[in-house]
This record gives sequence, C-alpha cells and structure tokens, in this order.
Amino acid sequence: DQQVKQNSPSLSVQEGRISILNCDYTNSMFDYFLWYKKYPAEGPTFLISISSIKDKNEDGRFTVFLNKSAKHLSLHIVPSQPGDSAVYFCAAKFGAGSYQLTFGKGTKLSVIP
Amino acid sequence: NAGVMQNPRHLVRRRGQEARLRCSPMKGHSHVYWYRQLPEEGLKFMVYLQKENIIDESGMPKERFSAEFPKEGPSILRIQQVVRGDSAAYFCASSQQGEGQPQHFGDGTRLSIL
Repeated sequence: DQQVKQNSPSLSVQEGRISILNCDYTNSMFDYFLWYKKYPAEGPTFLISISSIKDKNEDGRFTVFLNKSAKHLSLHIVPSQPGDSAVYFCAAKFGAGSYQLTFGKGTKLSVIP
Repeated sequence: NAGVMQNPRHLVRRRGQEARLRCSPMKGHSHVYWYRQLPEEGLKFMVYLQKENIIDESGMPKERFSAEFPKEGPSILRIQQVVRGDSAAYFCASSQQGEGQPQHFGDGTRLSIL
C-alpha cells in the first residue's frame, strides 16, 4: 500500500530545459516532505524539503511546490544539467515526534546534452 | 570524510549465516536510522535509534533482525540466520536532534545471500 507515489518511473529532458518531477501522497497526516537524489551505488543525497505550512520552497536551481488540497508535490529543476541525471526520491514524514520517512519508488531523470 | 560511513560496502553470506552491518553517523549527529531497499523499490524504514536506545523499531521484522547504537562505537544492524529474501541494499542515515532536521544517508551495504 503505497502512501507516497511517484507515478513516472523515468523522465528525459533536454539540457537547459526545466525538469518537473511529481509526487502524490495519500495520507493527510504527512506534514513534512523531502526530495533526495541518488546516483548508482551511492546513498540518497538530501536536496530540498518543505513543511506542510508552506506551498513553495526554493534553493538555487531547485524549487519544491506543495499542493495540500491535491496531496501533490513537485520538484522543479531549472535549468537542467547533465549532472542532474539520477534517480529522484520523494519522501514524507508524519507530525511532531515522528522521524520515520516514507519513500516513493523514485523517478529516473535523464538530462540529454 | 565527515559523512555517514557504512561498512562493509558489499557483504556476501550463505543461507543460515549471520550478517552484521555497521554505521558511523555524521559528526555531531545523535540520531541513526536504518532503511532497506529492495530492487526497483523505494527505501523502507526499519528502525530509529539514539545512543543506547531504540526509539522506533516498527519497520523491523519481528524475528532474526536486531539493531543497536551503543554508547561507544558504530550502530550495528544484525541479521541472524539469513535467507535469500534478505538480499537488499541497507542504508543508514543520521540526523541532528530536532524536528525537521534532514536525514543524511551513507552509501549503503549491498547484502547478497547465496
């Protein structure tokens, strides 16, 4: 029973264009969301996070948008670079006192030079 | 390297043997988490520990699996009497104390059961 869903297993984008990675969740008790990037044979690397009290958070080329009513969040990467090619995981956690992260299955992003 | 350190990177065991995975958290981090990733899947939470305490083990299988984070030394995830289904990548993460602190991951241990 997937509580965090990334419905696109893969995405290809031209270098310099925008990459949009999507994530849906089913549990309205989630209050904090994170995006991780993962290269093969390495651990996930934290990218950016957002609290449920916000609808947008920006850090350099990365912006995360949260639509609570739709239970949907997205990660925008602008401009996309070949080094961004990796698997991107969306993760969520519950309210105060919870540290457990629930991950989606990931989306493999390929940025084409 | 100030990151989360896991060893070994690869571990091969025969069915029935014990597997012992180690994790040293980032400097200054007092919280340790273990996750398991099966092929083509996302990471699944197993256990959350602080020094000498298991805080949340709701994701741990009830049998054969145990974890500890002693006062001195790394955190250990122990799997006794391994079976083929235990083959996976096991990731350790650590964080600072406090709500909203992101978890930072090690590069994982790939466990293969023959």
